[in-house]
Amino acid sequence: LAKTTQPISMDSYEGQEVNITCSHNNIATNDYITWYQQFPSQGPRFIIQGYKTKVTNEVASLFIPADRKSSTLSLPRVSLSDTAVYYCLVGSQTGANNLFFGTGTRLTVIP
Amino acid sequence: GAVVSQHPSRVICKSGTSVKIECRSLDFQATTMFWYRQFPKQSLMLMATSNEGSKATYEQGVEKDKFLINHASLTLSTLTVTSAHPEDSSFYICSARGSIRGGNTIYFGEGSWLTVV
Repeated sequence: LAKTTQPISMDSYEGQEVNITCSHNNIATNDYITWYQQFPSQGPRFIIQGYKTKVTNEVASLFIPADRKSSTLSLPRVSLSDTAVYYCLVGSQTGANNLFFGTGTRLTVIP
Repeated sequence: GAVVSQHPSRVICKSGTSVKIECRSLDFQATTMFWYRQFPKQSLMLMATSNEGSKATYEQGVEKDKFLINHASLTLSTLTVTSAHPEDSSFYICSARGSIRGGNTIYFGEGSWLTVV
């Protein structure tokens, strides 16, 4: 079971780029990395998923080094509405081991 | 829009009664759904894995007779909290594995707040 480690909290000013790193030292060969965003009293919302190198979509980028033992979620120019908890999950696309959440990172965006 | 829907979003019940929460996958079939509970300012805790047409698989420490899970169709799973007590008050979230955007991603419902009084 690939365990993940993230910083508990981060603060950032509006308009800045935020990078949240997740460590997953025992990631398996067929594991993917998925990031979710959660607002209070809401279910987690899918942000981005990747396997290696870099993935970019309309809201974020995901950087994965060659050894895949960590990943970095990059949020460009954050706004106050990006204040939320961000979780990274690691697991195969068909297996069950990506279902366990770590502590997540509580991002607070400051005006 | 939401690809996994939960109902109700909020429910209050009296201690000793049972309450059912529904989880539906929209636009895709989900042979497997997952149920979590989350206490304030804490992370999500996996309770059980719901398999269509078979018994759910419960995580250690989760009482299967208290948290009844039924997955009768490929788009619907239900969680019934039986003989609810105030300590069962929590935020319950379901998820389902689907391939809306290609790939196999887990999508979460909006969550259901249960308050037992």
